[in-house]
Amino acid sequence: QKEVEQDPGPLSVPEGAIVSLNCTYSNSAFQYFMWYRQYSRKGPELLMYTYSSGNKEDGRFTAQVDKSSKYISLFIRDSQPSDSATYLCAMSGWRTGRRALTFGSGTRLQVQP
Amino acid sequence: DSGVTQTPKHLITATGQRVTLRCSPRSGDLSVYWYQQSLDQGLQFLIQYYNGEERAKGNILERFSAQQFPDLHSELNLSSLELGDSALYFCASSARDALMHEQFFGPGTRLTVL
Repeated sequence: QKEVEQDPGPLSVPEGAIVSLNCTYSNSAFQYFMWYRQYSRKGPELLMYTYSSGNKEDGRFTAQVDKSSKYISLFIRDSQPSDSATYLCAMSGWRTGRRALTFGSGTRLQVQP
Repeated sequence: DSGVTQTPKHLITATGQRVTLRCSPRSGDLSVYWYQQSLDQGLQFLIQYYNGEERAKGNILERFSAQQFPDLHSELNLSSLELGDSALYFCASSARDALMHEQFFGPGTRLTVL
């Protein structure tokens, strides 16, 4: 079983819909939780990060972390065709003893005009 | 544009050959990370350098090596290439070790081994 699980999709939604993307994890030592957006054949782009539990909002994007359930979410409001991409969750934490990010496998999102 | 540059964008080579991938981090960033992305393995961490010194190793094969130079650019050397090494190779940078959660990725180098 992978340390970070993410449904690969594809997730297809109509333009304007609210999108919910999720990851589960097993390592309680993770402290930082990131969301990256990756367009086809491009480098991952950092959207936002959250430290520990709670919510964080940035424009149309909201990240939520529930450490008790080991579950994180990214919500996209008023989704646009330009949001069509693969969304990767990533995690890190000094208590893991690692100096790099652990990524989920990514969820492919398609927003239909 | 993340500010991280990588060259070349594409590389096609044959099995058994050796290639060098180059990365320039964002201005002021001291930490460089290398990742490999393949369809079946996702993004896998290879190696990290901080201010010229190797700091961490991930799933890096012995045939692969890297270094970070005094001007902070980094090179990833892949030798005795095999078909399975075909993948996207990304470098990322962060300002400091403590900010590894704020990594900014370059556009990647697509390596095809024939």
